[in-house]
Amino acid sequence: KAGVTQTPRYLIKTRGQQVTLSCSPISGHRSVSWYQQTPGQGLQFLFEYFSETQRNKGNFPGRFSGRQFSNSRSEMNVSTLELGDSALYLCASSLDPTDTQYFGPGTRLTVL
Amino acid sequence: AQSVSQHNHHVILSEAASLELGCNYSYGGTVNLFWYVQYPGQHLQLLLKYFSGDPLVKGIKGFEAEFIKSKFSFNLRKPSVQWSDTAEYFCAVEYGNKLVFGAGTILRVKS
Repeated sequence: KAGVTQTPRYLIKTRGQQVTLSCSPISGHRSVSWYQQTPGQGLQFLFEYFSETQRNKGNFPGRFSGRQFSNSRSEMNVSTLELGDSALYLCASSLDPTDTQYFGPGTRLTVL
Repeated sequence: AQSVSQHNHHVILSEAASLELGCNYSYGGTVNLFWYVQYPGQHLQLLLKYFSGDPLVKGIKGFEAEFIKSKFSFNLRKPSVQWSDTAEYFCAVEYGNKLVFGAGTILRVKS
């Protein structure tokens, strides 16, 4: 069974731009969560989607948003990029919100 | 606030040494507990998880963890480490539907 896939794997943007990251969950998984990983802050929860509805949101500004489609694929968007948004963005999927999450390889975003 | 503490940020061991990585979490009622590993250049992988039942949980690659409810701890152990265990290890606690991670422990195993 294919794992969680994330595209693109690497991205370079400049301050003020916006970016959209994509996540395709494991087949059959309906829950998708997003995390930000940085050397300074570690792994932090961004948000969780299940059946196209946002169920939980972490402590991030409104510039960070996401959505989930009917096929469970998810996108996250960051607008007005700041240097501090440079990070590895991880997506994790699970069958449902109560099941174990499996992580994708991440998208490495660099903001210049 | 919900938090997870990992006691050591860096651990260096020789091959065949025993490993124990500490993890404590803040009280939050019923929780699910996980250990994840990130090998150099690879993505996060699940090592083991505890939801309920036997507090001694066995995972992949010879790892195990013990849940001690009275101490709010979920320590990871391996009797004999190998060079290939060099990686960063994350303890995570699921509060409700949100995973909260510890800061991670970087393990380096010398051959």
